[in-house]
Parts: sequence; structure tokens; C-alpha cells
Amino acid sequence: DIQMTQSPPSLSASVGDNVTITCRASQGISSYLNWYQQHPGKAPNLLIYAASGLQSGVPSRFSGGGSGTDFTLSINGLQPEDFATYYCQQSFTVPFTFGQGTRLEIK
Amino acid sequence: QLQLQESGSGLVKPSQTLSLTCSVSGDSISSPGYSWTWIRQPPGKGLEWIAYIYQSGSTQYNPSLESRITVSVDRSKNQFSLQLSSVTAADTAIYYCASLESLRHCRGGNCYSVDSFHIWGQGTLVAVSS
Repeated sequence: DIQMTQSPPSLSASVGDNVTITCRASQGISSYLNWYQQHPGKAPNLLIYAASGLQSGVPSRFSGGGSGTDFTLSINGLQPEDFATYYCQQSFTVPFTFGQGTRLEIK
Repeated sequence: QLQLQESGSGLVKPSQTLSLTCSVSGDSISSPGYSWTWIRQPPGKGLEWIAYIYQSGSTQYNPSLESRITVSVDRSKNQFSLQLSSVTAADTAIYYCASLESLRHCRGGNCYSVDSFHIWGQGTLVAVSS
């Protein structure tokens, strides 16, 4: 299985800050990487697909980058609704696997 | 607008079979471009992909669960289902159904169609306990 490792596991930031979350795959996955946002008690929501494609309806302050084994999710100008847990997920091969999550908390 | 809703037993005894159904509304389960998938999340933990079923009816299962899983589609009811046999406490989780769609994105002259969990149900908690 391809292991997905996110860092940091948790992150404290303030409204208006810029933050970056990283995700590393245990082997190359080209651009077969998605990012999801999950609020407590809610289902995950697709933010970014194919490493850098912004899902319809997602604010432009979210951006994704990277390819191969190293990927990033950046949020420029944090808003109150952005405080949530973020997961990366690879679709390069079955079984699809997720990172362990990064919890973004209000400082 | 596509919507999914899970239903099924919220409490299952150890060694028994967990059965869940996902009802699809807003579009036909047979519409081109959709496959259908199950994902679970133990309370307070991360996400685990379980299985998906293609339009053709063929399936892909997580090898860690494959011997215990059955996924099927009922096109007449616009539903798909998950059965997980011989459950233990480790199978206690929120179970989500979702659409699996191949989303295309081009960057730097290269284009990729990436399977993505697009539309999710709200999830249903299944506890395994005697």
C-alpha cells in the first residue's frame, strides 16, 4: 500500500494567516492526489483534485501543488470557517489511501 | 444536485454482518461518469477506503477487508449496498458512502483524470458491541 504522511499533525494559526500543509507519498504518485476538508461531525468535502485543481465552489484562497511524492495545500488569508481537519488522499493505485490528517486550530 | 444518504443498523453484534445501504437522489445511479464507494472513519481517527463498484458492476476492494466485504448495486431502487461480515469492535466507525468520479485537470501541458470522492453522504455510525 502507498503510505501518505502529512505534516504537521496539528497547526495553530490566526484568522488572516497564511498556512501550508504538506503531504508525502511513500512512492511516486504523479499528480494523483486529492485534498479534503472535514469539520467536526461532518463528512469530508473535496477541495483540490489532481494535486492542483480547485473543486467548483471552493474559495480561491485554497491552492494545491506538487507532484511525484511531495505535495502541499496552502490557504492564503485564513477565514474562521477554514479551521478544520485536512486530509490528503492518493488515487494512483488501489487501495486508495489517506494521510492521517492535519488539524488546523485557532490560535 | 446529487445527494447520498446512508441507512442501516447502528448496532451490530460481534461476529455478525454489518449491512448498510446508500440511497442516491438527484441523478440516476446508472448515469455515466459515476462509480460508487464506501469509506469509514473510526471515532476520532482518520479515513479508510473500503471498496468501490463501477458502473459495469465490477468491484474493487481494500485488500485488508476483501475477504469480508460485498458491495452491490440495486439500479431499480437507485441504491448501492455494503455488507461486512464477521465484525469485531475494530469495525466500529462512521461509514460514509460517496460518489467516485474521474475529475480532469491540466497543468503545465499535462492533463490528469483523477478518481476523487466527490459527493459524500452524511455518514452513519455503526457500533459493534454485544
